[in-house]
Amino acid sequence: SAVISQKPSRDICQRGTSLTIQCQVDSQVTMMFWYRQQPGQSLTLIATANQGSEATYESGFVIDKFPISRPNLTFSTLTVSNMSPEDSSIYLCSVEGWEEGSQETQYFGPGTRLLVL
Amino acid sequence: GQSLEQPSEVTAVEGAIVQINCTYQTSGFYGLSWYQQHDGGAPTFLSYNGLDGLEETGRFSSFLSRSKGYSYLLLKELQMKDSASYFCALQGGFKTIFGAGTRLFVKA
Repeated sequence: SAVISQKPSRDICQRGTSLTIQCQVDSQVTMMFWYRQQPGQSLTLIATANQGSEATYESGFVIDKFPISRPNLTFSTLTVSNMSPEDSSIYLCSVEGWEEGSQETQYFGPGTRLLVL
Repeated sequence: GQSLEQPSEVTAVEGAIVQINCTYQTSGFYGLSWYQQHDGGAPTFLSYNGLDGLEETGRFSSFLSRSKGYSYLLLKELQMKDSASYFCALQGGFKTIFGAGTRLFVKA
């Protein structure tokens, strides 16, 4: 299993500002994933981050709005730029793993709860 | 494309058995997983079906039929702490696609 930490755990921000969320994993991983989850809703994949290359963004998400860094195999950051109240959400970092050697799964960080006023 | 359908809410009584269904349409995937998420918490892995059939882990079982595009999660001997949201998810192709989630309410 993987242990993932995120900082900050929560924040309240003013519209127009930017927030950078950090994700740290206790082991080296090839791919890291960033998700967004609105309260009571499902998880939506924002982008996949590989070390040494540009992140791959899902439809509806662009690099200018959500720049991602992946400087090494245990760390990534997601920036939410020029925030608006619609960006209020939970942002989750995730990595792939295997349970009991054969069950493909994803491990999630505790999430960053963002409120934009 | 890929999409997964789940009931939005299910209510059951403590000690009972409950089944949460998931239907999907996809062009291909490696396996289907189920995740549990308590309010304010992160999703945690429950089970994975790489092949058709039933997988059992303690009080939880999950079933997959690729030909029918159907999976279910079975929870036995329900406890109050099982009240949470449950997500089915298609795994493969370097990303995971999550269903909308089913909110389970366990009543005493």
